[in-house]
Amino acid sequence: ELKVEQNPLFLSMQEGKNYTIYCNYSTTSDRLYWYRQDPGKSLESLFVLLSNGAVKQEGRLMASLDTKARLSTLHITAAVHDLSATYFCAGTMEYGNKLVFGAGTILRVKS
Amino acid sequence: KAGVTQTPRYLIKTRGQQVTLSCSPISGHRSVSWYQQTPGQGLQFLFEYFSETQRNKGNFPGRFSGRQFSNSRSEMNVSTLELGDSALYLCASSLPADTEAFFGQGTRLTVV
Repeated sequence: ELKVEQNPLFLSMQEGKNYTIYCNYSTTSDRLYWYRQDPGKSLESLFVLLSNGAVKQEGRLMASLDTKARLSTLHITAAVHDLSATYFCAGTMEYGNKLVFGAGTILRVKS
Repeated sequence: KAGVTQTPRYLIKTRGQQVTLSCSPISGHRSVSWYQQTPGQGLQFLFEYFSETQRNKGNFPGRFSGRQFSNSRSEMNVSTLELGDSALYLCASSLPADTEAFFGQGTRLTVV
């Protein structure tokens, strides 16, 4: 059974600083997803990582996948207040779209 | 392009009642998945439907059921509601090729 662990669970950052959120998963996952959730809102898709060594970037966020280490990272560059949200990673292991989510990382960017 | 639409957005029900939630996927998407989000348990997979057939199922009691119609719209039903069923229920749709999953705005269910 796939288990997904994120750390840290809470991250308080100063604007302009860099940081990384880590996502470890227990067994082979076909795909690795990153989502953002604002309070009271739904999940916004950020990245889908499909293969070992995959790296995707959008603005100040960059995600990578190391399937051998069963690790994905979400790197935040020069954080701004608008990035404050909860970030989830999720993996899949079965045929279809059964996503197994991590607990989420609450990110607060302070000015 | 319209996104995933869930109705209703908010519901208040009494213990013991039943409830039906609806999800209309993005046009052309044939896979619909349902998730429950609570502060204590996080995001948990309920079930997935593809071409009117349940393709995957999570670890929820039989009180939780779903179905998918020929137009890919999906409903989930919860019978004999319990206080612990209070949650945000999210629906996600995706193309048949099992790629990116897009989520709706959710239905917030409160059981009193």
